[in-house]
Amino acid sequence: AQTVTQSQPEMSVQEAETVTLSCTYDTSENNYYLFWYKQPPSRQMILVIRQEAYKQQNATENRFSVNFQKAAKSFSLKISDSQLGDTAMYFCAFMKQGGSEKLVFGKGTKLTVNP
Amino acid sequence: GAGVSQSPSNKVTEKGKDVELRCDPISGHTALYWYRQSLGQGLEFLIYFQGNSAPDKSGLPSDRFSAERTGGSVSTLTIQRTQQEDSAVYLCASSTRGLRYEQYFGPGTRLTVT
Repeated sequence: AQTVTQSQPEMSVQEAETVTLSCTYDTSENNYYLFWYKQPPSRQMILVIRQEAYKQQNATENRFSVNFQKAAKSFSLKISDSQLGDTAMYFCAFMKQGGSEKLVFGKGTKLTVNP
Repeated sequence: GAGVSQSPSNKVTEKGKDVELRCDPISGHTALYWYRQSLGQGLEFLIYFQGNSAPDKSGLPSDRFSAERTGGSVSTLTIQRTQQEDSAVYLCASSTRGLRYEQYFGPGTRLTVT
C-alpha cells in the first residue's frame, strides 16, 4: 500500500515571500502520478500541480513549482511570490497508474499567508 | 461548463438514521469517486465507478456504507444506521476515462451525526 506523509501540519509565510511545503511518499510502484491539491475554506479541492513519475523535469505552473526527487521519494511544493489567496490547506497526493487510479492523500499542511 | 455538484451541502442527522448523499459529475465523465475527509483519518478513498464496470468498493469502511451510480451519471452514497464516527465531509470527484489523473472535485457534503 502507498503512504503519503506531510510533516508540516502548519506553516506561515509573509505576502510576496517564498514558501516550500514538504511531502514524502512510500511506494513500490514505478508508474504513478503525484499531485498537490489546494483546499480553501470553501472545501473545494483544487488541483495545483501534477507530476508524472516518468518525467525527470519538475512541473511548473506559474508561481507553483515542485522539486521531485524520485529516488528519495520526495515531492515538495514551492510557492513563489505568496499571495493572500494562497491561504488554504494543501494536500499532497499519490496515484498509481492502472486499476482504479484512486488518490492517496497526505494529512495536509495548513498554509497561512500574512499581509 | 458546470462542475461537479453535490447535495445537500450540509446534513445533520440523528444517530441511527439513514442518509443519502448525492453527486452529479461533470457531463461526459465516465469515472466517479467518493472520498471521505474526517478529522481523525484525513482524506480517504471510499468507492470508484467506471462506466459499466464493477465498482471498486475497497475503501468502504463497513457494510453500512453503499453507493450506486444510475445511468452512468448521478451517484448516491447511502449510509445506514449512522454513527457519530461517520461525521465527516464527503467529497465526490469525476474524471474522463483517458485522463483519470485529472479528478475534478465537488464542494462536498458535510455530514454531522448527533
